[in-house]
Amino acid sequence: GAGVSQSPSNKVTEKGKDVELRCDPISGHTALYWYRQRLGQGLEFLIYFQGNSAPDKSGLPSDRFSAERTGESVSTLTIQRTQQEDSAVYLCASSVRGGTNEKLFFGSGTQLSVL
Amino acid sequence: DQQVKQNSPSLSVQEGRISILNCDYTNSMFDYFLWYKKYPAEGPTFLISISSIKDKNEDGRFTVFLNKSAKHLSLHIVPSQPGDSAVYFCAASDSGTYKYIFGTGTRLKVLA
Repeated sequence: GAGVSQSPSNKVTEKGKDVELRCDPISGHTALYWYRQRLGQGLEFLIYFQGNSAPDKSGLPSDRFSAERTGESVSTLTIQRTQQEDSAVYLCASSVRGGTNEKLFFGSGTQLSVL
Repeated sequence: DQQVKQNSPSLSVQEGRISILNCDYTNSMFDYFLWYKKYPAEGPTFLISISSIKDKNEDGRFTVFLNKSAKHLSLHIVPSQPGDSAVYFCAASDSGTYKYIFGTGTRLKVLA
């Protein structure tokens, strides 16, 4: 597609359940980011993938969070045993190479609500 | 520790006037800055950027100013239009890294 695609756009789940969020980056973009935006807060970095390099997981808030990326395409962010504080908009972004002076292209996000 | 700060959560401006959105940062290693605009239920979209070798960058109605000594940047929108009503985020990174640090955003409302 022309842009970054995320699914689902909305997800409501019960506390304790696992959720999986998907991101399709722009074709040809080797770098992929996940960010989180809690209500009233800024974008919080979660994880970064670049090509076949080991991902930078330094932003993941707990071991309940994990992410995978297949080659240079689809990425999945998984949250296990969801908690109410996980409620947020999860945004995926991609860029051409992930280098300096590059702009990120964002998807529309997944609004996650944990009841 | 919030490395990028947008201290004004909201701003209202009359149509046709200038909108000035401010952003402060604490990390002196930051040398590349971006502004993003976000409409409800959409992802942020890139607006304008500036490298630390410049102090001004202009693109149509949008101008970004960078004051390195004050660790401050601002986005000017002239003239403001109702369609500019959105949340604006500033972001910063330093050379050699890929991690962009975002501010908390400023909600701009342009009144017709």
